[in-house]
Amino acid sequence: QLQLQESGPGLVKPSETLSLTCTVSGGSISSRSYYWGWIRQPPGKGLEWIGSISYSGSAYYNPSLKSRVTISVDTSKNQFSLNLSSVTAADTAVYYCDSYSSGWFIDYWGQGTLVTVSS
Amino acid sequence: EIVMTQSPATLSVSPGERATLSCRASQSVSSDLAWYQQKPGQAPRLLIYGASTRATGIPARFSGSGSGTEFTLSISSLQSEDFAVYYCQQYNNWPPTFGQGTKVEIK
Repeated sequence: QLQLQESGPGLVKPSETLSLTCTVSGGSISSRSYYWGWIRQPPGKGLEWIGSISYSGSAYYNPSLKSRVTISVDTSKNQFSLNLSSVTAADTAVYYCDSYSSGWFIDYWGQGTLVTVSS
Repeated sequence: EIVMTQSPATLSVSPGERATLSCRASQSVSSDLAWYQQKPGQAPRLLIYGASTRATGIPARFSGSGSGTEFTLSISSLQSEDFAVYYCQQYNNWPPTFGQGTKVEIK
């Protein structure tokens, strides 16, 4: 049973870069069985798929965020990360790390972490 | 991107009654449709994928149907733990997209 845990700053200033890390336990991030990714949810609103990455490092991003997003994998730490640049208040959200295996639907979710963009 | 529209926004149901939630896609997504349940302060939980296949551990009172652009999630006899927000999600086209959610509340 995979377990995912997000970590990172809860407050980011406008125009700066939001950086989050997801630590995976109960399985290897190098497994060919899983993809890893990020989804966000603004307070009181719906869900938005940010992007995903395979064990080999092939990344796929939502076109609406593609110019600002980077997702990467650190196999030595069994972690993957999200960087979102040039943030504004519209990027304030709960950020979930996630994993899926047999299609672009999420089998495993982290508990989520609230990131607020404010000066 | 494909727009997913859920109805109604809020559904008021008495415990023990049946709930029927709808989800419509702006273009065909075949059967590449998932449903999630989200309770306050929690991450969503996968209920249904492939439009009608229950995820591991999901009770039989949850059922999904539909294909193409019209989908339904039914909860046959609502239990207290089923009052939550439900989201549909298409995964036929990139990027995957979610509906805006249906809140199932106690009547």
